[in-house]
Amino acid sequence: QQQVKQSPQSLIVQKGGISIINCAYENTAFDYFPWYQQFPGKGPALLIAIRPDVSEKKEGRFTISFNKSAKQFSLHIMDSQPGDSATYFCAATYSGGYQKVTFGTGTKLQVIP
Amino acid sequence: DTAVSQTPKYLVTQMGNDKSIKCEQNLGHDTMYWYKQDSKKFLKIMFSYNNKELIINETVPNRFSPKSPDKAHLNLHINSLELGDSAVYFCASSPARGGSGQPQHFGDGTRLSIL
Repeated sequence: QQQVKQSPQSLIVQKGGISIINCAYENTAFDYFPWYQQFPGKGPALLIAIRPDVSEKKEGRFTISFNKSAKQFSLHIMDSQPGDSATYFCAATYSGGYQKVTFGTGTKLQVIP
Repeated sequence: DTAVSQTPKYLVTQMGNDKSIKCEQNLGHDTMYWYKQDSKKFLKIMFSYNNKELIINETVPNRFSPKSPDKAHLNLHINSLELGDSAVYFCASSPARGGSGQPQHFGDGTRLSIL
């Protein structure tokens, strides 16, 4: 019930290409879906987040697409850059609880020049 | 100014020892967390405190004991360290205990290595 499944585990993209990371959840009570970006030796940092009342949210080159009926959401990185190379985590939480965040298993993205 | 700071950054110790990790946040947040990140990068919540009160206690061995002297500090003490405790431990904070849409702010982690 609490799982968030994330794929792929790793991703190699050419500079300028589109990176796509997918997540699926089970608990329909989830109402906030953040994505975190983690660089080596650093803690995760919030990248972008979405609520289930919208189907898409865009911030610069980063876009979240959300499909409530399928219980799936994805992160698209347009014009991927070597500086985007990091591990990305999708996550889900709900307002009824104590802010317990359920994280996906992470995707290691490598953008090659 | 570092928002969430953890000390030490690295901790190398022998099996069976007792060690502590300290965390401080200067964001004025009410809620703080401890996460464990294993070698496969999987992030698992261990504990959460809201204004010094324990609110999340996942299935963690009782060798791990969190302590929150005030809402800006959350420490983690580990007794009788085992090889499986080797991981990166992250402290995080968020503005409120309930209500969605509250991002968590993470420290840079403490890498614990058990010899």
